[in-house]
Amino acid sequence: DGGITQSPKYLFRKEGQNVTLSCEQNLNHDAMYWYRQDPGQGLRLIYYSQIVNDFQKGDIAEGYSVSREKKESFPLTVTSAQKNPTAFYLCASIPGSSGNTIYFGEGSWLTVV
Amino acid sequence: DAKTTQPPSMDCAEGRAANLPCNHSTISGNEYVYWYRQIHSQGPQYIIHGLKNNETNEMASLIITEDRKSSTLILPHATLRDTAVYYCIVRAQVTGTASKLTFGTGTRLQVTL
Repeated sequence: DGGITQSPKYLFRKEGQNVTLSCEQNLNHDAMYWYRQDPGQGLRLIYYSQIVNDFQKGDIAEGYSVSREKKESFPLTVTSAQKNPTAFYLCASIPGSSGNTIYFGEGSWLTVV
Repeated sequence: DAKTTQPPSMDCAEGRAANLPCNHSTISGNEYVYWYRQIHSQGPQYIIHGLKNNETNEMASLIITEDRKSSTLILPHATLRDTAVYYCIVRAQVTGTASKLTFGTGTRLQVTL
């Protein structure tokens, strides 16, 4: 079945280490998004990409980096510059046309130990 | 992108209708209103979306005011499994490239016996 796959589901990181979260979609969607969610809070946009080899910063991009080398893949790297990285991370994608359903992955839990 | 405003929490008795409001007073004519819900920090689940007309599906109904500045999600017969955080999202119509998603603050719906 088509959908968005995020991995890993749970990840532990030592302080000072970079970590990359994977997001893959086989829906042939153009746009992809990364959101961060802190416990009891709403979703905040980190980065988004509308087409391959192009991406824009969201509201909380500091300490994160992304790439969009392939249409189906939009990995997120949480760098050591991110001071408070422990959170739930969600990836989403939408087709290029209007009025279509926004698809979300199941999320990745990142904990800094 | 238009901002949305939702009440932080609501209660509903099981079996009764749950009416969740959303204010999107700055919505543009080409922007859709989407509703999602999130249970236990899983990936958000799509519920319904609309542009101008009221919409109904097997899960819910969406009532959009004539001026489109607000909408209401109706769960006709709420059950305990409907306890979740409900997000109202506004998304612009695509014209070649996708727009960024704007999340509301979310309403935590508690369904009680």
